Amino acid sequence: NAGVTQTPKFRILKIGQSMTLQCAQDMNHNYMYWYRQDPGMGLKLIYYSVGAGITDKGEVPNGYNVSRSTTEDFPLRLELAAPSQTSVYFCASRRGQGAGEQYFGPGTRLTVT
Amino acid sequence: GIQVEQSPPDLILQEGANSTLRCNFSDSVNNLQWFHQNPWGQLINLFYIPSGTKQNGRLSATTVATERYSLLYISSSQTTDSGVYFCAVQNSGYALNFGKGTSLLVTP
Repeated sequence: NAGVTQTPKFRILKIGQSMTLQCAQDMNHNYMYWYRQDPGMGLKLIYYSVGAGITDKGEVPNGYNVSRSTTEDFPLRLELAAPSQTSVYFCASRRGQGAGEQYFGPGTRLTVT
Repeated sequence: GIQVEQSPPDLILQEGANSTLRCNFSDSVNNLQWFHQNPWGQLINLFYIPSGTKQNGRLSATTVATERYSLLYISSSQTTDSGVYFCAVQNSGYALNFGKGTSLLVTP
């Protein structure tokens, strides 16, 4: 199993550009998550999904959108990038509610200039 | 939402020393995990421990759910233990809530 994979690893965007961060998992997990980590801080939840076709906002959803058309994939869309979105983005997955560990991908380091 | 406090915020150890990291949380939990974020930024699962005690090599963890805290013990520390240690908890929601972490530096 590859676990949770993310692409790209690094990206630099100009203000106002858009991009999609890709996330995939091969563990047949129902729950998937997007977090962001700012320097020196813990992780904050952006969006999550409890299954294909179901998504919901986390703590810091503004400026982002998600979709979940398959169990495996959970892309995060940034529209009109702003410097405040400079961060490291982590995708994670878990089998289900009350079901054990949450596993994280390697992260995407995004800089908006 | 549930609050997570970790202490100490920073720790410097000499190789071979032992340490204890603490995580306090403000409500009952059904999930608690400890992670190590290495200097390359990867988040590595250490323990899934909503209650009880677990050991894995030089690391062990104890969660006392009734008193709302968890402890991570590192024995005979090595330079490769350096990084940030996060405690994350979940109660009624769907996702983990993270503390701000303990930054550990182990010197030779």
